[in-house]
Amino acid sequence: DSGVTQTPKHLITATGQRVTLRCSPRSGDLSVYWYQQSLDQGLQFLIQYYNGEERAKGNILERFSAQQFPDLHSELNLSSLELGDSALYFCASSVGQGGSNEKLFFGSGTQLSVL
Amino acid sequence: AQKITQTQPGMFVQEKEAVTLDCTYDTSDPSYGLFWYKQPSSGEMIFLIYQGSYDQQNATEGRYSLNFQKARKSANLVISASQLGDSAMYFCAMTDDDYKLSFGAGTTVTVRA
Repeated sequence: DSGVTQTPKHLITATGQRVTLRCSPRSGDLSVYWYQQSLDQGLQFLIQYYNGEERAKGNILERFSAQQFPDLHSELNLSSLELGDSALYFCASSVGQGGSNEKLFFGSGTQLSVL
Repeated sequence: AQKITQTQPGMFVQEKEAVTLDCTYDTSDPSYGLFWYKQPSSGEMIFLIYQGSYDQQNATEGRYSLNFQKARKSANLVISASQLGDSAMYFCAMTDDDYKLSFGAGTTVTVRA
């Protein structure tokens, strides 16, 4: 158990809908990262928050947004969902801001299916 | 450009034998970190081992060791005494100056009894 908690584990929804994925980092970790894993794109970095502030942005679509709350949990909001958004979404956390020696610990992921 | 390259899509290994998973990387930053993660069929991503670019010794964690060859930009994972529970997808990853963890395409390992 990595200590990173993601809910829900599975989510099935329809095109055009909006969903929220939730992540609680490991105790003491200040950074939260979101990754998307799909068969065609592999693991793609979406966004990072550090202590409530956006720290780095990757291949995140404009239809997607995220935030980190004062208690350090994070939510990833996906709107106007398309079939291609079906993927496994991971949250990870780390102690600091990130860097070459920063280990990321991953949650179990949320499997999103858009029908 | 691809930062991490894993050229072996899938591998079979006999139980109790060792297996080496290849990983090459590309960066011009002198400071970087190399990681290996395991993803079993259940889906979670499990941290296995870390090697820093300035580390003189190869990293080891139990049955996992990282064969770090800096000049060749290679960071191969060696799993010794394979067990059935080692069957999974293995990802090589790197962080460098942009602080983002970039992943390779992964290698599927199947351990045969």
